[in-house]
Amino acid sequence: ESVLTQSPGTLSLSPGERATLSCRASQSVSNNYLAWYQQKPGQAPRLLIYDASTRATGIPDRFSGSGSGTDFTLTISRLEPEDFAVYYCQHYGSSPRTFGQGTKVEIK
Amino acid sequence: EVQLLESGGGLVQPGGSLRLSCAASGFTFSAYALSWVRQAPGKGLEWVSAISGGTVNTFYADFVRGRFTISRDNSKNTMYLQMNSLSAEDTAVYYCAKDHGWLPVYWGQGTLVTVSS
Repeated sequence: ESVLTQSPGTLSLSPGERATLSCRASQSVSNNYLAWYQQKPGQAPRLLIYDASTRATGIPDRFSGSGSGTDFTLTISRLEPEDFAVYYCQHYGSSPRTFGQGTKVEIK
Repeated sequence: EVQLLESGGGLVQPGGSLRLSCAASGFTFSAYALSWVRQAPGKGLEWVSAISGGTVNTFYADFVRGRFTISRDNSKNTMYLQMNSLSAEDTAVYYCAKDHGWLPVYWGQGTLVTVSS
């Protein structure tokens, strides 16, 4: 079972700043089947990035994903007010399809 | 438009059972895999189980294997999660999701399961 570790736990930033979130896997993620989700309070998660670097439909280009193997990054180039939320990574190349523990991006 | 509507949540005593349903519309139901993901209050996301579309293969997280059973009725466009031997640790919002490949893409709004005496 691949364990995903996200860092930092909390990121305190101001609107307009750049956010860099990390997701590290304990085993290499097959085919870079790594996704990122955004979740706001009281809402279901929303898919942002899949296959490590492909934006999902309708996702603004300020969101980008990168990485391969065991190290992956989600970058938000300039934070908008609506981007303050919790972000999760998930691998989906094999079962169990575990999630990371999440990174909260909060307003500084 | 893809729609997923979970139901069947509620309050159940420890050791009890509950069956969740996920009614789907807006896509060819039998062609897609589906997943259950849960979230305990104030905690992160946990992948629970998945089921393939055609030939029915099922997958489980270790912490539910032997207690939970995932199934689907393609004639009713509905997926189920039978949950037995429930404990307080199973208290969570349970989301169903439509997968592309094995990637959860579209999510329902969830149903709350509370295990308490």
